Amino acid sequence: DTGVSQDPRHKITKRGQNVTFRCDPISEHNRLYWYRQTLGQGPEFLTYFQNEAQLEKSRLLSDRFSAERPKGSFSTLEIQRTEQGDSAMYLCASSSTGAGANVLTFGAGSRLTVL
Amino acid sequence: DQQVKQNSPSLSVQEGRISILNCDYTNSMFDYFLWYKKYPAEGPTFLISISSIKDKNEDGRFTVFLNKSAKHLSLHIVPSQPGDSAVYFCAADMDSNYQLIWGAGTKLIIKP
Repeated sequence: DTGVSQDPRHKITKRGQNVTFRCDPISEHNRLYWYRQTLGQGPEFLTYFQNEAQLEKSRLLSDRFSAERPKGSFSTLEIQRTEQGDSAMYLCASSSTGAGANVLTFGAGSRLTVL
Repeated sequence: DQQVKQNSPSLSVQEGRISILNCDYTNSMFDYFLWYKKYPAEGPTFLISISSIKDKNEDGRFTVFLNKSAKHLSLHIVPSQPGDSAVYFCAADMDSNYQLIWGAGTKLIIKP
C-alpha cells in the first residue's frame, strides 16, 4: 500500500470554474477525512466519511462544496463556482476504527489556486 | 476562538541540543492529543500522542508531556537532528475520533 494518494497535486483555475479533487485512502481504512489548510494555519476539518456514509460536515463546507465516497473507497471533493477565498491546500486523510482511530494518515494534499 | 494554540511560530535549536515545542488548549473536554510533523510539499505525518489519563509518553527521541491543570502540553526532542527541521503541529481530539482541532504550527529549525 502506497499510503493516501491525492490528485491533482496542484490546480490553478479561474474564479467561477468548478474543480474536483480525488483521494485514494489506505485500502484497509474505512474512515476518510477532508481538511483544508491555509498559509500559516493548521488544518481545518471539512468533512468525514465512515465507509460510504458522510457522517459530519463542518460549517466551513458551504453549499458550493460537495464530497462523495461511493462504495466506501476513493473520495472526491468538488468545489463549484470557485472563489479566491477557496485558494488553499486540501488535505485528505484516512484512519481505521477502534484503537488508533485518532491517528490520521494524510496525503500530500491538493493545492488550489483561484485566480 | 482558537481552542489549540501554538504561540511560537518558529524555533531555532542547535543540533544535538533539546528542542521543546509548546502547545496550549482551552477546552477541558479534550481527551487525546497528537503531534504531527510536516515537511514542505508533504502532508502531516503522525509523530506521537498522549491520552489525557497520562502525563508523559515517550517514543525514542520524542517525549510528550501533558499538564492538564495548566492545559498545556509540550514536545521534547532529544537530541535534535537536522532531519527534525519541519513544521510541528499540535492537535486535540474530544472523544469524537473524527474532528481533530489543530494549532497553527511551529517551524523548527535545527542548526548544524
